[in-house]
Amino acid sequence: DIQMTQSPSSLSASVGDRVTITCRASQDIGSDLGWYQQKPGKAPKRLIYGASNLQSGVPSRFSGSGSGTEFTLTIGSLQPEDFATYFCLQHNSYPLTFGQGTKVEVK
Amino acid sequence: QVQLQESGPGLVKPSETLSLTCTVSGVSMNTLSYFWVWTRQPPGKGLEWLGTIYSSGITYYNPSLESRITMSVDTSKSHFSLKLSSVTAADTAVYYCARQTTLDSDYGAVDYWGQGTLVTVSS
Repeated sequence: DIQMTQSPSSLSASVGDRVTITCRASQDIGSDLGWYQQKPGKAPKRLIYGASNLQSGVPSRFSGSGSGTEFTLTIGSLQPEDFATYFCLQHNSYPLTFGQGTKVEVK
Repeated sequence: QVQLQESGPGLVKPSETLSLTCTVSGVSMNTLSYFWVWTRQPPGKGLEWLGTIYSSGITYYNPSLESRITMSVDTSKSHFSLKLSSVTAADTAVYYCARQTTLDSDYGAVDYWGQGTLVTVSS
């Protein structure tokens, strides 16, 4: 199984801050990775697909980078609606595996 | 607009079978363009993929659950289902259904999710 190691598990930030979250894969997954935003009681929402492609309708302050084993999600300027949990998901092979999630909290 | 909605009992007794249904709207399930997925998230823990089913009925299950899990699909009713047998407290979780796409540039990616349903295993 491919293990996804996500860091940090939580962070405190202020509106306007730049935020970076990292996922590392235990083996090469190419660009077969997505980033998702999760809010309580709501369906997770995909932000980035193919490691670096912005999902239609998602604000451009979100960006993704990386390939192979190291991936990054960046929020360029944190907005009030961005306080949420973020996770990565690899779909290179079954079983699909997730990062443990990063909770972005108000500083 | 693609929507997925989980439904089923919120409370299941230990040793019994958990049964959930995911109703899909806004897209036809009778297509090779998508696969259908179950995942779960125990309280305070990360997400776990349970399995994927194709519209043809082909399934891929998480090896850790293979002896207890059954997924089925009914494209005529636009829904797919999950059964998990012999449940214990460790199966208490929010269960999510989701869709995988087979679009060339995005093959296998999960693009849409349901909002999840909490299932508690308790006597």
